[in-house]
Amino acid sequence: GAGVSQSPSNKVTEKGKDVELRCDPISGHTALYWYRQRLGQGLEFLIYFQGNSAPDKSGLPSDRFSAERTGESVSTLTIQRTQQEDSAVYLCASSRSRATNEKLFFGSGTQLSVL
Amino acid sequence: AQKITQTQPGMFVQEKEAVTLDCTYDTSDQSYGLFWYKQPSSGEMIFLIYQGSYDEQNATEGRYSLNFQKARKSANLVISASQLGDSAMYFCALPFRGGGADGLTFGKGTHLIIQP
Repeated sequence: GAGVSQSPSNKVTEKGKDVELRCDPISGHTALYWYRQRLGQGLEFLIYFQGNSAPDKSGLPSDRFSAERTGESVSTLTIQRTQQEDSAVYLCASSRSRATNEKLFFGSGTQLSVL
Repeated sequence: AQKITQTQPGMFVQEKEAVTLDCTYDTSDQSYGLFWYKQPSSGEMIFLIYQGSYDEQNATEGRYSLNFQKARKSANLVISASQLGDSAMYFCALPFRGGGADGLTFGKGTHLIIQP
């Protein structure tokens, strides 16, 4: 696609429910990243994929968070038993490679609100 | 570990004036790059400019330029002739590898408001 696409753009859920956030990276981008941004804050790194492999998941906030990626395309971030503290914008980004001079292209994010 | 510091939480600037957004960093890498992103109220992160640590000249992209001072570990963003549309959050970022993490480490950002 032309850019990184995320869906849904907004998600309102009740505490305790599971949610699934989707990210479609730019075609051909091997690296994919998930960030969380709380209101008025900077970006908090969650997890990255090189291809469909996530070498380390220690950046995820708790074991309620998990992520998968299919080949070098779609990724899903799943939050189980959501809590109010999970309310934030979840941003996905992709890049052509993991080289340190590669810029990240971001999606518009999913605004998650946990009531 | 990498660290990015942006000391200006918010700034008000008159339209058409130049503005400098501060960014200092700490890294143990010998070769690295600095990125600046803009985040308007719509929420999307927009890449503005990149500076490589071994680039001989400061990076420029249209009205954006970097005042890169390697010895001081600072990479300040300069916006010339500011416009109302420049009102947004601005984030400085440094590539980060370690502890299983990857991608970019971001500063806390500067909220820039351009006044007419």
